[in-house]
Amino acid sequence: AQSVTQLDSHVSVSEGTPVLLRCNYSSSYSPSLFWYVQHPNKGLQLLLKYTSAATLVKGINGFEAEFKKSETSFHLTKPSAHMSDAAEYFCVVTRMDSSYKLIFGSGTRLLVRP
Amino acid sequence: SAVISQKPSRDICQRGTSLTIQCQVDSQVTMMFWYRQQPGQSLTLIATANQGSEATYESGFVIDKFPISRPNLTFSTLTVSNMSPEDSSIYLCSASGTGEAFFGQGTRLTVV
Repeated sequence: AQSVTQLDSHVSVSEGTPVLLRCNYSSSYSPSLFWYVQHPNKGLQLLLKYTSAATLVKGINGFEAEFKKSETSFHLTKPSAHMSDAAEYFCVVTRMDSSYKLIFGSGTRLLVRP
Repeated sequence: SAVISQKPSRDICQRGTSLTIQCQVDSQVTMMFWYRQQPGQSLTLIATANQGSEATYESGFVIDKFPISRPNLTFSTLTVSNMSPEDSSIYLCSASGTGEAFFGQGTRLTVV
């Protein structure tokens, strides 16, 4: 069965320090992987996606993620957190039966301290 | 990219009533979906909205409770029927084109 595990429900960082949001997936095939961000009372916004091209994926707002097949991980990073990064982040994979259908991780709430 | 408009953005409804949520996409898309996000939880796929035919429901969701229409490539509705407080959630419309899914801002439903 496919699954996505976000290892931290909450992450708290100081403004200007690095961000690491962890995601592991399990799948019997190679899915596409995404990170979405959800700001309070707003819709989901795509940060970045991995679709079997380069393993290091650059997204919007300075975020990056590295696909590591051997570790089945797709961690999200940013060198320097900004107050506006405070939001809920979801790691997402495509389903084996349909690349249009998505499985969401449980989410990680990022808190940024001034 | 696609811009998705959902309405209403929020509603408070009495138990036992029904609410229909509308989703409009600004371009023709291949696939449209409806997701539910229960309070403090992640998103769960309810169903695929198929143009001109019955929606395809995920395990745990049934047509009688969540009837869905998709009369054309850019518009879909989700009805939450005979509501109970357990239906209080955010309902999100999603559209997929070429390798990317877009989401509406969601409809925040509270059932009292």
